[in-house]
Parts: sequence; structure tokens; C-alpha cells
Amino acid sequence: DAGVIQSPRHEVTEMGQEVTLRCKPISGHNSLFWYRQTMMRGLELLIYFNNNVPIDDSGMPEDRFSAKMPNASFSTLKIQPSEPRDSAVYFCASSLAGINTEAFFGQGTRLTVV
Amino acid sequence: DQQVKQNSPSLSVQEGRISILNCDYTNSMFDYFLWYKKYPAEGPTFLISISSIKDKNEDGRFTVFLNKSAKHLSLHIVPSQPGDSAVYFCAATLRGGNKLVFGAGTILRVKS
Repeated sequence: DAGVIQSPRHEVTEMGQEVTLRCKPISGHNSLFWYRQTMMRGLELLIYFNNNVPIDDSGMPEDRFSAKMPNASFSTLKIQPSEPRDSAVYFCASSLAGINTEAFFGQGTRLTVV
Repeated sequence: DQQVKQNSPSLSVQEGRISILNCDYTNSMFDYFLWYKKYPAEGPTFLISISSIKDKNEDGRFTVFLNKSAKHLSLHIVPSQPGDSAVYFCAATLRGGNKLVFGAGTILRVKS
């Protein structure tokens, strides 16, 4: 398995534009997580899904952020409109739900909003 | 409110010596704890974990200790190697769930 695949690896966009980040979890994993990493706050959980259903989105900072998981092999995180303070590295991770085990992370998307 | 705290932003250790990374948590419902390692431009990777029913777990050069009464855990690396230089994240899960809550991370530098 190729692991968790995220795209794009880097994204530079202008303030006010829509940004869509994509994630393909590991096949067979039924939990998917979106994290944001910043220098100040480390790794923050934004939202997580179990079996494609959003379970906890309390970490989503504002209504500008939305996430979807239309099927077991694909998820998106969308920011509309984007702002400079959204600049961060966004990680997607997947794991087997209900088991105390580790989550596997993608390589991240470095987002820069100018 | 940060439920998992890593109060040391960075740590510098000489090669061959012990590295001790610390983590505190506030939620007594956490029952499973993990350490992740992260290199630049890569995603975090799992290192070692411990269940709340144990107080120690060892895997090669890595040992995690859990002190439930103090709500504290630590990661010991012995002996430290230059390749261990990375950011180390402590994480915890709530009882019955798999939502991982991370600390802010500690940068470890192992000098040769």
C-alpha cells in the first residue's frame, strides 16, 4: 500500500481564493482525520470521520472550512475564502476505527495564502 | 484549552546519551498514549505507545513511562543517535474512541 496520499504537496494562493486539499486514505482504514500544523499550536485536529461520516468537527476553526468524505477512499478539505492566517501544513491521516492503534499520516500539504 | 502539553519546545542531547521527552495531560479519560516522530517535509510516523493499564513499554532504544496519578508520560531514548533528531509529538486518545489529541511537539537535536 502506498500509504496516505495527499495532494497537492504545496499550494500558494491569493487571499480570498478557494482552496481544496485532497486525501486518499489507506485502503481498509475506516477512520480519517484532518490535522493542521502551525508553529504556535502544533498539530490540531480539525475533523475526523468514521465510515465516511463526520464524527467530530469541533476543531474546524470557522465556517470557511468544510470537509467531505464522499466515499471510503477520498476526502477533501476546503477553505473558502482563504486568508493569510490559514497558512499552515495540513495533514490527513487514517486508521482502523475502534482499535487503539496508531494513525498513519500523509506527507501533508503546505498551504501559503498571500 | 490544550489537553496534551509538551512544555519543552526543544531539547539538545549529545550522541550516546539519554534523551528524555516529557508530556503532561489534563483529561483523566485518556486511556491510550502514543509518541510520533516527524522529520521535516514528512508526515508524523508512529514510534511507540502505551495503554493506561501499564506504566512502562519498551521497544529497542525507546521506552515510554506512564504516571497516571501525575498525568505524565515520558519518552526515553537510549542511546541517542543523530538520526533521532526530529520533532516528537505526544498524543492521547479518549476511552472508547480513536480521536488522537496531540501536544505541540518537542524538537530533539542529537549532536555528534
